[in-house]
Amino acid sequence: QQQVKQSPQSLIVQKGGISIINCAYENTAFDYFPWYQQFPGKGPALLIAIRPDVSEKKEGRFTISFNKSAKQFSLHIMDSQPGDSATYFCAASMNTGGFKTIFGAGTRLFVKA
Amino acid sequence: NAGVMQNPRHLVRRRGQEARLRCSPMKGHSHVYWYRQLPEEGLKFMVYLQKENIIDESGMPKERFSAEFPKEGPSILRIQQVVRGDSAAYFCASSPTTGNTEAFFGQGTRLTVV
Repeated sequence: QQQVKQSPQSLIVQKGGISIINCAYENTAFDYFPWYQQFPGKGPALLIAIRPDVSEKKEGRFTISFNKSAKQFSLHIMDSQPGDSATYFCAASMNTGGFKTIFGAGTRLFVKA
Repeated sequence: NAGVMQNPRHLVRRRGQEARLRCSPMKGHSHVYWYRQLPEEGLKFMVYLQKENIIDESGMPKERFSAEFPKEGPSILRIQQVVRGDSAAYFCASSPTTGNTEAFFGQGTRLTVV
């Protein structure tokens, strides 16, 4: 119920290509879905987030697509660049009795120059 | 405005020793969360604290681990009698309020138990 399942585990994309990372959740009480980017040796940093009342959110080259009925959401990175190479985590949280973010297992993205 | 500060960045402890990890939240933030990240894995929630209160410790191991966030000073994650399996990166995050707001992460403390 509390899990967030993320795939793929790793991803290699050519420079200029589209990177797509998928996540699925079970608990319909989740109401906030952030994506974090983590570089080696650093803490995660918020990249983009979405609430379930919208189906898509775009910020620059990053887009979240959200399918509430399927309980799935995905991150699309357009025009992927070598500097995007990092680990990406999807996450979910609920504003009920406190705030706790549940993370997916992560996707290691490598963008080939 | 300094970010979330964690120290030490790296900590080496022998089996059986105690490890103390510190986290100073961002200015104005009164909510602190601790996560553990094992190599090649995601972040696992451990505990959520507000000043002087533990709100949710459902992710904390029942033994040897404790956390506090005193009225004054940083939040402390304490691991007693460390074992090799405790080796991991421990991240602290803070937020100004509950629910649906960005949690800012620190750089983490990498604990190695030898």
